[in-house]
Amino acid sequence: NAGVTQTPKFQVLKTGQSMTLQCAQDMNHNSMYWYRQDPGMGLRLIYYSASEGTTDKGEVPNGYNVSRLNKREFSLRLESAAPSQTSVYFCASSETGQGSAEQFFGPGTRLTVL
Amino acid sequence: DAKTTQPPSMDCAEGRAANLPCNHSTISGNEYVYWYRQIHSQGPQYIIHGLKNNETNEMASLIITEDRKSSTLILPHATLRDTAVYYCIDLKAAGNKLTFGGGTRVLVKP
Repeated sequence: NAGVTQTPKFQVLKTGQSMTLQCAQDMNHNSMYWYRQDPGMGLRLIYYSASEGTTDKGEVPNGYNVSRLNKREFSLRLESAAPSQTSVYFCASSETGQGSAEQFFGPGTRLTVL
Repeated sequence: DAKTTQPPSMDCAEGRAANLPCNHSTISGNEYVYWYRQIHSQGPQYIIHGLKNNETNEMASLIITEDRKSSTLILPHATLRDTAVYYCIDLKAAGNKLTFGGGTRVLVKP
């Protein structure tokens, strides 16, 4: 099993450009998450999807949109990139269950917005 | 919402036990305490979690105080590969949403 995979690994954008970050998991997990991590900081939740067909905002959703394409895939879109969105983006997945679920993280996408 | 506090950094000698403290004084009764670590720039890695009882797995032990206001993660025999940032996290009951704080930067020295 590959676990959680993310593409691309690195990306450089100019201000105003758009792009989609892809995430896929092969563990048959119901829940998926997008986080961002700024230098020297902890991760912050952008959006999450508790199950296929549902998405909800996290702590820092402004400037992003998400799509839960199917059970395996959860994409994050930046419609008009800004320098403040320069960060490392992590996708994660977990079983659904109240209060007790280990999250598995992907390797991250390092995004620079010029 | 519960919030955790951890020391920003600590050093540990290779082969010795590393004891990482965490305060979560406002944790509610149905919230779990989770520990993750992040090695260099990799994605976070789950270590262990607990609700009330002490827990042990192949990676670490988790000691939770009886009043649940604090906990300690114990790495029994630290190795150089254990150098990482360790996050103590409260898990909100709904949606399994993790809230990451600043963590403790652990440096294991030879």
